[in-house]
Amino acid sequence: QQPVQSPQAVILREGEDAVINCSSSKALYSVHWYRQKHGEAPVFLMILLKGGEQMRHEKISASFNEKKQQSSLYLTASQLSYSGTYFCGTEDPDSSYKLIFGSGTRLLVRP
Amino acid sequence: DGGITQSPKYLFRKEGQNVTLSCEQNLNHDAMYWYRQDPGQGLRLIYYSQIVNDFQKGDIAEGYSVSREKKESFPLTVTSAQKNPTAFYLCASSILRSRLTDTQYFGPGTRLTVL
Repeated sequence: QQPVQSPQAVILREGEDAVINCSSSKALYSVHWYRQKHGEAPVFLMILLKGGEQMRHEKISASFNEKKQQSSLYLTASQLSYSGTYFCGTEDPDSSYKLIFGSGTRLLVRP
Repeated sequence: DGGITQSPKYLFRKEGQNVTLSCEQNLNHDAMYWYRQDPGQGLRLIYYSQIVNDFQKGDIAEGYSVSREKKESFPLTVTSAQKNPTAFYLCASSILRSRLTDTQYFGPGTRLTVL
């Protein structure tokens, strides 16, 4: 079952913060985060594993709450280069070795 | 340089024709995947393969076929049975850990348009 991402879209000024959430109705093994620029392929940001630590990629960090079956992506002091669509991909016991992607969150960072 | 290549970048097809999209990786990854992306939408899994000569249907396999004769190659055929094939097609690959999928690396994609 497809994870639910929120919000669907965010507009920020450079330097502002944002949080993107990814929720699943199933217990998860892992959550993967990707960013896609318009017309390009998705680029990997980070993986969060069950029982693992909070991860960071530059000024972007993420957490994984196993009990809530939810992951959150934190974008701190956003830069223009952060603009794009963020996707979470989840892996659960019924779909091991494949990811089910959310519908994405569009982020626009303005000067 | 290791990576995933897809060809062609743009493909135009007449209705009723089958077309094959190429995907090659030299990362020595075990698993390969095909996704379809429609404008403003997420990634939907078409087929995936964990090992040579074996593959599984994803969520939207109808009208598509694949083969995995070599570890590095996973071509996708869009058949005439696919009613609405115009989309952006992405191929990906990953190492498989025990019970977990590792990072998926994506190719640059093929944009297919049916005329």
